[in-house]
Amino acid sequence: GDSVTQMEGPVTLSEEAFLTINCTYTATGYPSLFWYVQYPGEGLQLLLKATKADDKGSNKGFEATYRKETTSFHLEKGSVQVSDSAVYFCALSGRMNRDDKIIFGKGTRLHILP
Amino acid sequence: KAGVTQTPRYLIKTRGQQVTLSCSPISGHRSVSWYQQTPGQGLQFLFEYFSETQRNKGNFPGRFSGRQFSNSRSEMNVSTLELGDSALYLCASSVGLRNEKLFFGSGTQLSVL
Repeated sequence: GDSVTQMEGPVTLSEEAFLTINCTYTATGYPSLFWYVQYPGEGLQLLLKATKADDKGSNKGFEATYRKETTSFHLEKGSVQVSDSAVYFCALSGRMNRDDKIIFGKGTRLHILP
Repeated sequence: KAGVTQTPRYLIKTRGQQVTLSCSPISGHRSVSWYQQTPGQGLQFLFEYFSETQRNKGNFPGRFSGRQFSNSRSEMNVSTLELGDSALYLCASSVGLRNEKLFFGSGTQLSVL
């Protein structure tokens, strides 16, 4: 079945460092790919998405490119801030049938030190 | 526009009891999904409802059930609670079925003692 694998955390970086959180997927067909973020004490919120190969999703300085050849959707940010500390979830939505659910990775906790 | 509202925010129960959690989706959203979040397993899909019908179900035992009302509000019920049911239960709504943008509530933190 469809699945998402993302790097284990926690990831600890200093402010202004470069961030990469790896995400790879297994899916039949051509899924849509997402990054969701969960700040402390809150539910998840959509950070960015990409719906087809080579699409780049971007928001709040974060970017991720849909790479079909490597089945990856790595999250990057050039200069992180303390306020980026959160848990990040990679997810996919299959397109094989109308009832496909959104599948999430296990999440990567990010700590940014001032 | 109000967001997804989940009640209660926290619950403490003992083994063998049952619990009902409530979710009010964003106005106009007709699809409601439920997820269980634990540190070890991450987010696991429980079920999805659309127009009062269960459209999809995850790999959870029959002790976990849910329903959706005509106003799109949803409830999930867990019977005969076990220690392993302790988790954050998240509800998410979307405009329609297969709408790919989910809006999550803050969750209900369930502790089973």
